[in-house]
Amino acid sequence: QKEVEQNSGPLSVPEGAIASLNCTYSDRGSQSFFWYRQYSGKSPELIMFIYSNGDKEDGRFTAQLNKASQYVSLLIRDSQPSDSATYLCAVNAGGTSYGKLTFGQGTILTVHP
Amino acid sequence: GAVVSQHPSWVICKSGTSVKIECRSLDFQATTMFWYRQFPKQSLMLMATSNEGSKATYEQGVEKDKFLINHASLTLSTLTVTSAHPEDSSFYICSARPDRNQPQHFGDGTRLSIL
Repeated sequence: QKEVEQNSGPLSVPEGAIASLNCTYSDRGSQSFFWYRQYSGKSPELIMFIYSNGDKEDGRFTAQLNKASQYVSLLIRDSQPSDSATYLCAVNAGGTSYGKLTFGQGTILTVHP
Repeated sequence: GAVVSQHPSWVICKSGTSVKIECRSLDFQATTMFWYRQFPKQSLMLMATSNEGSKATYEQGVEKDKFLINHASLTLSTLTVTSAHPEDSSFYICSARPDRNQPQHFGDGTRLSIL
């Protein structure tokens, strides 16, 4: 069964610190990887996506992908209270399931002042 | 770019009612749209893939006769929850992408409450 796993948290970090969110996936054929942020009662918002091994940076966010270890992470630098949300890792399957996203259960992040 | 609009935002109705939810891609054409359901404190679960001009593909365990999907144009997909019951109360979210190599963008979601 294709699965995406995240530590549900909650992860609590002080304002200004680096928040590190992790995700593992079971399907080696997975093609692309996404991080979505979801505020309570709202729909998910795309933060980052990554297709190739290595790091991808966008502002305060860095996505890291290691396909050999089936591991993807999201680093948030200079964390702000407004970053407090649930972060969803999503994996785009390969093969005949291409295009379908499988979501992890999400990690609750709390950034305290 | 890549804006997805969903309507309505909230629906409260009596048990046995059918409810239609619309999902529109506003600034791109989408041959494929996706419908998800999210229960409180749980992650998103894919219900079905909506394909323009053809039948939707439903995930295992999703009743196709209960959740009717129509993707009549390249910018509009609808989900109709037929004869809704309290257990159908949930947060329904659609998504779409400009092409198959682009990320999915989500609508604002529809919170459905069946009394």
